[in-house]
Amino acid sequence: ETGVTQTPRHLVMGMTNKKSLKCEQHLGHNAMYWYKQSAKKPLELMFVYNFKEQTENNSVPSRFSPECPNSSHLFLHLHTLQPEDSALYLCASSQEDGVGYGYTFGSGTRLTVV
Amino acid sequence: AQSVTQLDSHVSVSEGTPVLLRCNYSSSYSPSLFWYVQHPNKGLQLLLKYTSAATLVKGINGFEAEFKKSETSFHLTKPSAHMSDAAEYFCVVTGNSGGYQKVTFGTGTKLQVIP
Repeated sequence: ETGVTQTPRHLVMGMTNKKSLKCEQHLGHNAMYWYKQSAKKPLELMFVYNFKEQTENNSVPSRFSPECPNSSHLFLHLHTLQPEDSALYLCASSQEDGVGYGYTFGSGTRLTVV
Repeated sequence: AQSVTQLDSHVSVSEGTPVLLRCNYSSSYSPSLFWYVQHPNKGLQLLLKYTSAATLVKGINGFEAEFKKSETSFHLTKPSAHMSDAAEYFCVVTGNSGGYQKVTFGTGTKLQVIP
């Protein structure tokens, strides 16, 4: 384990469902991130939180809704997703925004939208 | 502007032979550079990082990379490949411009190790 835990590991959901992805870190990091990894595409940064405040929303559709209740937990709430949203969703954390420090990634949630 | 280019999408080597994964970057500011490895169905793991100290950086599992400013390169090498090195490798550049942190991932290089 890396210190960043993501649950669930796999999720299959219909387009009308509502589900949430969870990420938890106890590394004392102050920044957390959601990334989307699709086949044959570069990693896409979705959201950045620093000290629980959202500092970046990379033009993500509103059907993805992040929540960061404290610096150790990050959620991604999903509703009315599309099949093209199927991907590996990676959570990461870092100290001081990751510049010069590097990220610690979770193992990801493999999401399939049917 | 900031970008990173991984020149090979796939690299295939025989077990016991050297590994070279190429990465070139461009950055308007003093960058930090990283290599991450991703094994199947896993998250990304930090292999090594360059943050303006020694230009030759040693990482985990016998990997190392050399920062060459004149060539804007940060190639990843290993003297002898193991079967367990088969994975996807990502080069990452980060920079600080006017207080804004920007992180750019490469598109990845899949390393195949042939027995």
